Amino acid sequence: QVQLVESGGGLVKPGGYLRLSCAASGFTFSDYYMSWVRQAPGKGLEWVSHISSSGTMYYGDSVRGRFTISRDNGKNSVSLEMHSLRADDTAVYYCVRGTFLTGPDSWGQGTRVTVSS
Amino acid sequence: DIQMTQSPSSLSASVGDRVTITCRASQGIRNDLGWYQQKPGKAPTRLIYAASSLQSGVPSRFTGSGSGTEFTLTISSLQPEDLATYYCLQYHNSPFTFGQGTKVEIK
Repeated sequence: QVQLVESGGGLVKPGGYLRLSCAASGFTFSDYYMSWVRQAPGKGLEWVSHISSSGTMYYGDSVRGRFTISRDNGKNSVSLEMHSLRADDTAVYYCVRGTFLTGPDSWGQGTRVTVSS
Repeated sequence: DIQMTQSPSSLSASVGDRVTITCRASQGIRNDLGWYQQKPGKAPTRLIYAASSLQSGVPSRFTGSGSGTEFTLTISSLQPEDLATYYCLQYHNSPFTFGQGTKVEIK
């Protein structure tokens, strides 16, 4: 079955750096785009970034220029490098699989990022 | 960016009631819309894709409809396990965008 397992979350100071990873299994990784979606405490869902199977990257306005998404089709993994972190980046970050035809379908359980001094 | 306006933000209904949630897109998105359910403390799961296609394993009391700019999620007979927050998501254009969410409570 499809499994998406996030890692790398934690506590970081404002202005700091963190790298999230998502290990995928149970499907042909290279057939899907991969995304990151976040949810701040008590808030709704926010699309962060996604990367197509061929490596084209897209970013939400709030993270463009600070976050970088990448994927390794050989290792079935996707990463999110987060620079210049701010308090409002505090959230649970979900790894999500999808296709452009039918949209996002499977979600990981999330990894928590807290930006605080 | 495409804006998704979802309503209502919350509702309270009784078991067996029919519940309707609406999403409006700021521009046409064909049928590139999904509906997601998020139960408290859990990751979201998909209910509907392509506006009206039921995700495998999802109860048939959930139906989606609409195209273009107006979309609806209907729960035909609300059950206690439907306590959750529901989100629409457009994947027609990047960046993808969510509605603000609808919190469904059971009376």
